[in-house]
Amino acid sequence: AQSVAQPEDQVNVAEGNPLTVKCTYSVSGNPYLFWYVQYPNRGLQFLLKYITGDNLVKGSYGFEAEFNKSQTSFHLKKPSALVSDSALYFCAVRDLLFSGGYNKLIFGAGTRLAVHP
Amino acid sequence: KAGVTQTPRYLIKTRGQQVTLSCSPISGHRSVSWYQQTPGQGLQFLFEYFSETQRNKGNFPGRFSGRQFSNSRSEMNVSTLELGDSALYLCASSGQGLYSPLHFGNGTRLTVT
Repeated sequence: AQSVAQPEDQVNVAEGNPLTVKCTYSVSGNPYLFWYVQYPNRGLQFLLKYITGDNLVKGSYGFEAEFNKSQTSFHLKKPSALVSDSALYFCAVRDLLFSGGYNKLIFGAGTRLAVHP
Repeated sequence: KAGVTQTPRYLIKTRGQQVTLSCSPISGHRSVSWYQQTPGQGLQFLFEYFSETQRNKGNFPGRFSGRQFSNSRSEMNVSTLELGDSALYLCASSGQGLYSPLHFGNGTRLTVT
């Protein structure tokens, strides 16, 4: 079965420091990976995706993610964290074993990012 | 472009009642998906509609159903509500293209008492 794991429930980082939110995946075939962010009482906002090509993917709000096939990881990174980045972050993989369509995503459990002033 | 709109934002219902949630996708998007978000189970896929046809369905009981109209607007219905149905229900739309990302609405918070 296809799955995504986010090993950290919470990540704490000081404002201005680099941040990393970890994600590992298990899929059959090529992975199609996504990162989303959720602010309180809001829906999920798309940050970036990896389909194929360069292993470093750049996304919205200064975020980027590094795809590593040998480690089956897709970690989210930002060079300099802001207090406003504090939110819940979800990694997701498209469930390609699910026939008939392309929009079933399997989400990780989420990682709460807390950026302290 | 307006985003995905979900109504209502909040609902309180009693066990045994039924509820209908509404979703208006981004203009031009023909695919609408529904997800349930709970603290215990996280984000779980309910179903997806494309051009008024259900393409995919997740592992939820038959009490959960949906439909899509010719203008791509979608509704989901939950009958015979249970306490465990309390959740944030998220609707997402996506454009054409195999790798188009999902764009989510702000959700409907359903509380069953």
